[in-house]
Amino acid sequence: NAGVTQTPKFQVLKTGQSMTLQCAQDMNHNSMYWYRQDPGMGLRLIYYSASEGTTDKGEVPNGYNVSRLNKREFSLRLESAAPSQTSVYFCAGTPSLSSYEQYFGPGTRLTVT
Amino acid sequence: GENVEQHPSTLSVQEGDSAVIKCTYSDSASNYFPWYKQELGKRPQLIIDIRSNVGEKKDQRIAVTLNKTAKHFSLHITETQPEDSAVYFCAALSWGKLQFGAGTQVVVTP
Repeated sequence: NAGVTQTPKFQVLKTGQSMTLQCAQDMNHNSMYWYRQDPGMGLRLIYYSASEGTTDKGEVPNGYNVSRLNKREFSLRLESAAPSQTSVYFCAGTPSLSSYEQYFGPGTRLTVT
Repeated sequence: GENVEQHPSTLSVQEGDSAVIKCTYSDSASNYFPWYKQELGKRPQLIIDIRSNVGEKKDQRIAVTLNKTAKHFSLHITETQPEDSAVYFCAALSWGKLQFGAGTQVVVTP
């Protein structure tokens, strides 16, 4: 039982390159989330998926897209990376509609040069 | 949307003393308030949470209080230890989404 896993752990991109951050969970989570964390700004929601097959924008969705491939996997795509997207990205999941607790993955540290 | 403010941004305490972190929120419909602890380079981890139908909750050395009328909630850590040093985040659940405060860096000095 690995919980929430993310790949890669670290990534360096050049401006304009694209990449997909992967997230998977084995805790039967219904809802999944993508956050970015910047110094002094807490965690900001990028996109979320309340259930398999649905996705919605969060607070800072511009420049990102997501796919809820199945119940286990929720990926975040940067189509054309910009230096402003340098951040630590966390995926999280919530087990059920009656539970609000979010379990976080280990994070991906992304640097865009 | 929901707005959560957290104070102070940094807090230095002597080992054994108490630490208090305060948060305010704006959406009166928010009904769940978790606190997360994040050590350097690690993921945020839930340490305690409270729902809107409860005024106080305690778990060993940590406690959370909620004042719904004033729309503020606080984290209390008693008998602080060096391993309590970390960044602490409050959050409020509104419309199915968590809004996080900016975080408090707590440093416990021996």
